[in-house]
Amino acid sequence: GAGVSQSPRYKVAKRGQDVALRCDPISGHVSLFWYQQALGQGPEFLTYFQNEAQLDKSGLPSDRFFAERPEGSVSTLKIQRTQQEDSAVYLCASSLGLAGTYEQYFGPGTRLTVT
Amino acid sequence: ILNVEQSPQSLHVQEGDSTNFTCSFPSSNFYALHWYRWETAKSPEALFVMTLNGDEKKKGRISATLNTKEGYSYLYIKGSQPEDSATYLCASHTGGFKTIFGAGTRLFVKA
Repeated sequence: GAGVSQSPRYKVAKRGQDVALRCDPISGHVSLFWYQQALGQGPEFLTYFQNEAQLDKSGLPSDRFFAERPEGSVSTLKIQRTQQEDSAVYLCASSLGLAGTYEQYFGPGTRLTVT
Repeated sequence: ILNVEQSPQSLHVQEGDSTNFTCSFPSSNFYALHWYRWETAKSPEALFVMTLNGDEKKKGRISATLNTKEGYSYLYIKGSQPEDSATYLCASHTGGFKTIFGAGTRLFVKA
């Protein structure tokens, strides 16, 4: 069956541009996570959705970051006025049940480079 | 321990060697501990989800143990093969929604 997909796979943005990163989770998965991964580090938690409800956004680094999952399936992570420090790989993961209880299935990530 | 820490950072072994790595995590408010394997150019794949103190899980040549009271988990690989070369990540849940990952242990297995 289809896994988690993300688009685009690569994105180059000029500083100050807005970007939107898309995540298509596995159908029927309740939980959806966004992570930011810097080179040589583990994924860093950004935000968590349970169906369409954003229950934790404590990891979003600034108010320039915004995520939504309006119908409880596809999610979009938007970054406004991108800065060089936003350059990273953005990973999306989904899981069948509630956070922590079930394994997470990861997408291939979007590599964002801000120039 | 406030963060999830993994050691060693990297490990080079010969084919056939057995090896193990450590994940240390906050023991207070423990809920679950996950292990993932991340091969280069692929997505992280789940190995184990562990919740109970003393839990032991096994998948083929890979096994893991969990000590929630002292806040550590060990991952063991028996008879390492070149295809085991990957980064092994652990992640802690403390009852909320946040997943806290360690920086990973990068394993290189030489044929």
